[in-house]
Amino acid sequence: GAVVSQHPSRVICKSGTSVKIECRSLDFQATTMFWYRQFPKQSLMLMATSNEGSKATYEQGVEKDKFLINHASLTLSTLTVTSAHPEDSSFYICSSGQGVFDEQYFGPGTRLTVT
Amino acid sequence: SQQGEEDPQALSIQEGENATMNCSYKTSINNLQWYRQNSGRGLVHLILIRSNEREKHSGRLRVTLDTSKKSSSLLITASRAADTASYFCAPNQGGKLIFGQGTELSVKP
Repeated sequence: GAVVSQHPSRVICKSGTSVKIECRSLDFQATTMFWYRQFPKQSLMLMATSNEGSKATYEQGVEKDKFLINHASLTLSTLTVTSAHPEDSSFYICSSGQGVFDEQYFGPGTRLTVT
Repeated sequence: SQQGEEDPQALSIQEGENATMNCSYKTSINNLQWYRQNSGRGLVHLILIRSNEREKHSGRLRVTLDTSKKSSSLLITASRAADTASYFCAPNQGGKLIFGQGTELSVKP
């Protein structure tokens, strides 16, 4: 199957700093990518839909000024957690596919710990 | 809001036995997908069943879809210890996957 990479796999940052997570589609051009977060032993929660060349679409309850998404090319979407707080500590996962109605390929995830 | 709800939340079986997981959802869907996740890792796509399909097979996996009941099931036959993982159903609603809580499957050798 197609490969989606994420970087970094783990990051520890101090409260108040910003962290950028990259999601790359390696095998195909992705006009749409998705960002999820997952708490331990819980499900994936869709945060936002990243659209190449236009603004991201955020799910209800997700602060767009806190979770900045940039999808500047067909193979790269970035999620920046701004002014991180300990409650932002979570597992962040991106996905992409040939189309939004097709199977999605997930990145390996980024474990963010805010101290 | 949660779209897929799985049942059971946890399932423990012996190697060689079959494992059945059920999923219910609330609104109309384009398709329904099943994924597995090993602890602390990304998700792996297992199977996609379209809204006009009733059953689909892939190796040891069998998925059913009943749109009238808004439910799906995943059957893993002849389970192996390597099947131990969390399994999620993800109804696709308008191009978005909305994941349920998942079923934690443990297959004991």
